[in-house]
Amino acid sequence: AQSVTQLGSHVSVSEGALVLLRCNYSSSVPPYLFWYVQYPNQGLQLLLKYTSAATLVKGINGFEAEFKKSETSFHLTKPSAHMSDAAEYFCAVSEETSYDKVIFGPGTSLSVIP
Amino acid sequence: NAGVMQNPRHLVRRRGQEARLRCSPMKGHSHVYWYRQLPEEGLKFMVYLQKENIIDESGMPKERFSAEFPKEGPSILRIQQVVRGDSAAYFCASSQTQGTGELFFGEGSRLTVL
Repeated sequence: AQSVTQLGSHVSVSEGALVLLRCNYSSSVPPYLFWYVQYPNQGLQLLLKYTSAATLVKGINGFEAEFKKSETSFHLTKPSAHMSDAAEYFCAVSEETSYDKVIFGPGTSLSVIP
Repeated sequence: NAGVMQNPRHLVRRRGQEARLRCSPMKGHSHVYWYRQLPEEGLKFMVYLQKENIIDESGMPKERFSAEFPKEGPSILRIQQVVRGDSAAYFCASSQTQGTGELFFGEGSRLTVL
């Protein structure tokens, strides 16, 4: 079964600084990889999705993620953090046997310091 | 608003009572998923349903929990004889097409067991 790990349960960055949130998946290449964002007291919203068409995936709100098979990683980045980026970020994968069964990582809480 | 609708948003129950959580998927979506989010933890898959069928319930506790998605009406997650450990946020998600892994989430139902 697929699984994901996210290094760092809490990340703080200054406004305008680079955002880097780390995600590693289990050894077999999953069909799909995702990043979701959750704002306080809200549901999750899809940021971006990897489908093997391209290793660098661009998402909403200026975020992007790069798939690196050699490192089994799918880290999320944004060049310049905004205050509105403060939220919980979840990396997720879909199961090979059931693409619609999405497995989520534990999440990383991003704080943006003015 | 054509988003995923969950109700109630907040539910308080005493130990031993029953909790019923409802989810209406996005218009045109026939796949429904339930996830549980415990404090400081990520989302844990519980069950995947299509109309009148349970496709995957591998994440559902064997006792006290049940889910349905009838031909008419919302999907319902039912928890019988609740215990304090059931206190969590329960999220419903829906998808339109099987195999894409793209989920649209509701805002969640927060269950508190006293």
